[in-house]
Amino acid sequence: KQEVTQIPAALSVPEGENLVLNCSFTDSAIYNLQWFRQDPGKGLTSLLLIQSSQREQTSGRLNASLDKSSGRSTLYIAASQPGDSATYLCAVNNRGRDDKIIFGKGTRLHILP
Amino acid sequence: NAGVTQTPKFRILKIGQSMTLQCTQDMNHNYMYWYRQDPGMGLKLIYYSVGAGITDKGEVPNGYNVSRSTTEDFPLRLELAAPSQTSVYFCASSYSGSSGVYEQYFGPGTRLTVT
Repeated sequence: KQEVTQIPAALSVPEGENLVLNCSFTDSAIYNLQWFRQDPGKGLTSLLLIQSSQREQTSGRLNASLDKSSGRSTLYIAASQPGDSATYLCAVNNRGRDDKIIFGKGTRLHILP
Repeated sequence: NAGVTQTPKFRILKIGQSMTLQCTQDMNHNYMYWYRQDPGMGLKLIYYSVGAGITDKGEVPNGYNVSRSTTEDFPLRLELAAPSQTSVYFCASSYSGSSGVYEQYFGPGTRLTVT
């Protein structure tokens, strides 16, 4: 059964620092992995989607990497800003009979001004 | 494009009442999903649909029902509401092809309280 873990559950960093959020998964048979952002009381916004054949994806200050063999993905945020404060979730799309999307519990990020 | 829309935004139900949460998407996505999100527990899949007329159970389907009569709409029905169903409910949609599921798009959520 696929399990997705995000550690740490919460993180505080000073503004301007670069940071890395981690996501690990137990079954490497995936189609893709997606990173989301969720602001308090809001829905999820897709940030980046990495197909299983890709190693990384970039969008602006965000860079997501995928190492399928070790079951890990990272989301790198460069030059963090207070507006980056949110909860970040990763989700894997299982390849196989159930074809489901499994979410981690998220990392709550707080950027200190 | 409005994307994924959900109604209502908030609702308070008494124990034993029933209600339907509405979800509509205008992106012609074949896949649609219902999740619930409880504090500190992440998102859990309730039901999903791979196309009109086809639905399947997710991780936590008990107490809920769904239907998918059109590509656009995927309502979630709560029968005999219980306090354990107090949660935030999210609807999502995506396109799925031979390379798996593409980007998921989420609605703004419905905050439901059962007292």
